[in-house]
Amino acid sequence: ETGVTQSPTHLIKTRGQQVTLRCSSQSGHNTVSWYQQALGQGPQFIFQYYREEENGRGNFPPRFSGLQFPNYSSELNVNALELDDSALYLCASSPRGGENIQYFGAGTRLSVL
Amino acid sequence: EDQVTQSPEALRLQEGESSSLNCSYTVSGLRGLFWYRQDPGKGPEFLFTLYSAGEEKEKERLKATLTKKESFLHITAPKPEDSATYLCAVRDTGFQKLVFGTGTRLLVSP
Repeated sequence: ETGVTQSPTHLIKTRGQQVTLRCSSQSGHNTVSWYQQALGQGPQFIFQYYREEENGRGNFPPRFSGLQFPNYSSELNVNALELDDSALYLCASSPRGGENIQYFGAGTRLSVL
Repeated sequence: EDQVTQSPEALRLQEGESSSLNCSYTVSGLRGLFWYRQDPGKGPEFLFTLYSAGEEKEKERLKATLTKKESFLHITAPKPEDSATYLCAVRDTGFQKLVFGTGTRLLVSP
């Protein structure tokens, strides 16, 4: 049990809709990263937040956006959903400094029809 | 650009049959190589982090080693509960982003 919780567990949307996924970080962790994992693939980095600011971004379009709140919880928003957005979305929290180990939540399975 | 390649893609072992998983990487400046275990439908579970060539870490039946170009995850006398996908990831000298390989799916039969 990592202490990183994600909601919802599963979600079904249709193409063109918008979705918000939520993540609660492990206590004491001030950095949160989001990853997209397609079936049979490794996780791909979307972006990272530190102290409520975006701290790096992967090769994802602007319709993927995020927020981090003062309590270090986070949201991932995806607009204009496409079929290829169907994947497992993973949130990982980590402390700043030290070994910076990222601890993952169980993920949100998003299906776009 | 950072790259991670894992082999084999899938591995089937009999209980007690030891083997090794490979992770080859290309990174501008290594700030850590990470091994995770992932069960179906779940998030990756942290196993080990290695920072410099020659470093080794052990946990129960697992042992991770690191060279300048690759890492190995050795599994000694595996049990069926070791069945999972094992993911390797690297972090470079930039920010905290992890670059993952596609994983090795391990199945241990009784």
